Amino acid sequence: TQLLEQSPQFLSIQEGENLTVYCNSSSVFSSLQWYRQEPGEGPVLLVTVVTGGEVKKLKRLTFQFGDARKDSSLHITAAQPGDTGLYLCAGVGGGSYIPTFGRGTSLIVHP
Amino acid sequence: EAGVVQSPRYKIIEKKQPVAFWCNPISGHNTLYWYLQNLGQGPELLIRYENEEAVDDSQLPKDRFSAERLKGVDSTLKIQPAELGDSAVYLCASSFLGPGELFFGEGSRLTVL
Repeated sequence: TQLLEQSPQFLSIQEGENLTVYCNSSSVFSSLQWYRQEPGEGPVLLVTVVTGGEVKKLKRLTFQFGDARKDSSLHITAAQPGDTGLYLCAGVGGGSYIPTFGRGTSLIVHP
Repeated sequence: EAGVVQSPRYKIIEKKQPVAFWCNPISGHNTLYWYLQNLGQGPELLIRYENEEAVDDSQLPKDRFSAERLKGVDSTLKIQPAELGDSAVYLCASSFLGPGELFFGEGSRLTVL
């Protein structure tokens, strides 16, 4: 079983602040996905990273895949209340192509 | 294009009662997943279908849970009898030809009293 550890578990910040959430594992992944889930909704894919060291930017969100493809980070610049939600990382690899999810980071951005 | 549709959105039942959830995936998506999500946690896979074949059901508690995907399109997940610990959100997702982006439905929230 590939275990994905996400940190922090909870984050409560003010609008305009920057933040970083982490996704770590002892396993190597062929790809790693980040999803955002809003209350009462299903997760929605934000990005997929596949190459070690890869950096992808999506407006104010920056995603990085570790060189060894075991970890990833999500950095949000100048957070807005609309960024509020549960951020989930999901790894694919180890002989299985079923995404395995971490427990998520619950983010609240206060106006 | 319509997304993944699930019903019911909410269900409240007493323990030992049966319950069923229905999922209609995105048209053309061969792979269908049922996930269980407890409050404040990530989704956990229950079962995966490739067309009408269940190819990964190792995490499905088969003593009380069952699923089917007739004709490789819609799917139903059933719990009989339900227990208090089954209270959770049941998410259905689909994808085109295996890995890649999962498209999730809004989920079915089950409360067992």
